[in-house]
Amino acid sequence: GAGVSQSPRYKVAKRGQDVALRCDPISGHVSLFWYQQALGQGPEFLTYFQNEAQLDKSGLPSDRFFAERPEGSVSTLKIQRTQQEDSAVYLCASSGRQAQFSPLHFGNGTRLTVT
Amino acid sequence: KQEVTQIPAALSVPEGENLVLNCSFTDSAIYNLQWFRQDPGKGLTSLLLIQSSQREQTSGRLNASLDKSSGRSTLYIAASQPGDSATYLCAVSDGNQFYFGTGTSLTVIP
Repeated sequence: GAGVSQSPRYKVAKRGQDVALRCDPISGHVSLFWYQQALGQGPEFLTYFQNEAQLDKSGLPSDRFFAERPEGSVSTLKIQRTQQEDSAVYLCASSGRQAQFSPLHFGNGTRLTVT
Repeated sequence: KQEVTQIPAALSVPEGENLVLNCSFTDSAIYNLQWFRQDPGKGLTSLLLIQSSQREQTSGRLNASLDKSSGRSTLYIAASQPGDSATYLCAVSDGNQFYFGTGTSLTVIP
């Protein structure tokens, strides 16, 4: 594909609802990252996959957050029982090799608003 | 935990000026450093990637330098244009994740 694709672009959820955010990385990219970006802030790391293996999930803020990448391509970030503090832009990024060697390519993000 | 700071938080310059954006980080054990630009409502676009063994990278009117021992990087933009207006973020990698600064919001006035 031409770039990293994220869907939906915008999501409004009522407090307590579950949401699922999708990321289609650039075809063939090994590494995939999820970041959370609050307004006026830099992105904060959530989790990292190398192929289908989740190598680091230390940034997930609570056990309500879950990410998967079962076939090493598309990834889904799931948030259960959403809270207002979950409102943010969720960014997905991929890179062609291990993260330390190649640039990150970001999608346009999903803006989540919890009411 | 790695802390990344960017100064200034906002910058406004007239078109044509050369300018420097600063990034500092607390832990010098990094794999690489990347500079990104972010336009409103958009994701991040990678501008330059500097590996830890490198001192600088150049792309067009952009030049980024890295001084790992002092924990600093600068992004130099030559002959600024209104289209350069955006937020510029730097990020450092520890091999697993990237740590981002809060960015410098740049406005280039025509």
